[in-house]
Amino acid sequence: GQNIDQPTEMTATEGAIVQINCTYQTSGFNGLFWYQQHAGEAPTFLSYNVLDGLEEKGRFSSFLSRSKGYSYLLLKELQMKDSASYLCAENSGYSTLTFGKGTMLLVSP
Amino acid sequence: DTGVSQDPRHKITKRGQNVTFRCDPISEHNRLYWYRQTLGQGPEFLTYFQNEAQLEKSRLLSDRFSAERPKGSFSTLEIQRTEQGDSAMYLCASSTTSGRTSTDTQYFGPGTRLTVL
Repeated sequence: GQNIDQPTEMTATEGAIVQINCTYQTSGFNGLFWYQQHAGEAPTFLSYNVLDGLEEKGRFSSFLSRSKGYSYLLLKELQMKDSASYLCAENSGYSTLTFGKGTMLLVSP
Repeated sequence: DTGVSQDPRHKITKRGQNVTFRCDPISEHNRLYWYRQTLGQGPEFLTYFQNEAQLEKSRLLSDRFSAERPKGSFSTLEIQRTEQGDSAMYLCASSTTSGRTSTDTQYFGPGTRLTVL
């Protein structure tokens, strides 16, 4: 199976830190991606993890634990423009991505 | 602009009509993917090409759907005898890889929003 679970919605305040969790169940794991998608727009690439640990890119960091089938995206110093859907996607096969339903993040002033 | 482009951006059609969408990948990207996304859902894989070869198709892909990439550059996705359930955003993505195993990053185009009346 390729069940990817992530929360449907989250809210946070400008300037705060938020962690979006993602769990997956699959065989042949070949990497986990995070994408950001604003309403009506295409997904844009944020991060990729294939080994356990934390990958940091500016205000965004992503963590992976392969043994637990678990990842999270950490957003620091939240800005209003960070309000978007955050998609967790797993590469479990030759090349295709299986996406979760996305977590809608609302950042309020 | 060297990103993935898609045409048209919006398409409204009547049930039973055929529609065709075009995707131009990032230059020299050898892999091209089609996804479909409905409201509140993540993108759902449809099919992908490596160069001109169609390597994988989703089992969910109806035989009314066909995709081509004749010269290994742009791709077209055709839907025949459209149904209201085909209404969705159709996303194209491209990537590049030099090996058989793939961990390449996919970059998405702006999508074509299809509405079937």
